[in-house]
Amino acid sequence: QKEVEQNSGPLSVPEGAIASLNCTYSDRGSQSFFWYRQYSGKSPELIMFIYSNGDKEDGRFTAQLNKASQYVSLLIRDSQPSDSATYLCAVYSGGGADGLTFGKGTHLIIQP
Amino acid sequence: EAGVAQSPRYKIIEKRQSVAFWCNPISGHATLYWYQQILGQGPKLLIQFQNNGVVDDSQLPKDRFSAERLKGVDSTLKIQPAKLEDSAVYLCASSPRLAGGTYNEQFFGPGTRLTVL
Repeated sequence: QKEVEQNSGPLSVPEGAIASLNCTYSDRGSQSFFWYRQYSGKSPELIMFIYSNGDKEDGRFTAQLNKASQYVSLLIRDSQPSDSATYLCAVYSGGGADGLTFGKGTHLIIQP
Repeated sequence: EAGVAQSPRYKIIEKRQSVAFWCNPISGHATLYWYQQILGQGPKLLIQFQNNGVVDDSQLPKDRFSAERLKGVDSTLKIQPAKLEDSAVYLCASSPRLAGGTYNEQFFGPGTRLTVL
């Protein structure tokens, strides 16, 4: 059974600070990793994906992947109140059946 | 480019009734997914289509759920009969990639919120 674990939070971060979101996964054969943002009552929106070890930066967002530790993280710099949402970590294991396995999400609150 | 369309957006039914959801993926996307998202949890894959064929339905409760994707475009998901625990948001997603690629970027529709009383 593939599992993706996230701290459900809420994680409270002051405006302008760095928010750090973490995710671990159980399937060592997982190939790529996604971070989705979900506002209350809305559908998930893709923020970033990463499939190589190391860091990947896109604007204020940085995804970090460590396959040896089976660990993925998302850093949000200069956090804004509009970043307040639930962040879902999703894992893709490849192969023919390639639906994503999601964690339960971390609820992030940016305090003005 | 138009996104993934779903209807209805909301549905309230009583247990043991039937319900159907419709999805129209992004034009040209070969792969279509149905996910179930229960409140407080992440989406869970129910079924995956590539064109009009089923790739994975291992987590679909086949005694009550069914899905089809005729002509490899639109898809419908049906529940018959519904149970209280089926109350959830049903999300449709599509991807331009064929199954088995290196990575799989999926785009989600707005979802259908189902309440079973």
